[in-house]
Amino acid sequence: QQPVQSPQAVILREGEDAVINCSSSKALYSVHWYRQKHGEAPVFLMILLKGGEQKGHEKISASFNEKKQQSSLYLTASQLSYSGTYFCGTLMNYGGSQGNLIFGKGTKLSVKP
Amino acid sequence: DAGVIQSPRHEVTEMGQEVTLRCKPISGHDYLFWYRQTMMRGLELLIYFNNNVPIDDSGMPEDRFSAKMPNASFSTLKIQPSEPRDSAVYFCASTSGGTTDTQYFGPGTRLTVL
Repeated sequence: QQPVQSPQAVILREGEDAVINCSSSKALYSVHWYRQKHGEAPVFLMILLKGGEQKGHEKISASFNEKKQQSSLYLTASQLSYSGTYFCGTLMNYGGSQGNLIFGKGTKLSVKP
Repeated sequence: DAGVIQSPRHEVTEMGQEVTLRCKPISGHDYLFWYRQTMMRGLELLIYFNNNVPIDDSGMPEDRFSAKMPNASFSTLKIQPSEPRDSAVYFCASTSGGTTDTQYFGPGTRLTVL
């Protein structure tokens, strides 16, 4: 089940804040956030694990509500370099086969000067 | 480290031809993933390997697709015969921490099937 991201696109001015949401219809073990610039590969931003553990960049902030099966990525004081498409990937199981990351369709963020 | 290496970066072929995409993971990484990205479907996992063994290939669209990992430093994704609907960007990613850890993506191969 592909997670649903919202909004699909957002346009900001430099310095403005944005929140990108990711929701799943299934219970989640972890949520992963990646950013992809046009014509480039996705780049890791953050992982949020069930139980509260987080791995990621210090300047990136995100939350994971296990009960609501939702995660949000917070982009504050946006810079031009934040432009790109943000993907959340969800992992439902952690077991012998470890499960597979299923990515949402992405949120396109454009930061204007 | 050189990062994940993929070749070719661009491939244009005609329908019915065989296509082979190549990937070299980051040294020491024991998980390797193949993804396909299209505008319509987004980023989809095709198959992943752990210690050169395919763990889950449920994302492989059909029998025309096959993937191998003969050793820890090389993997191939083959499409035979190729069809126009296979046109996409194919990414390879690797990690050392399983699917709960950071995946490092290669630059991708942009495949166009005419």
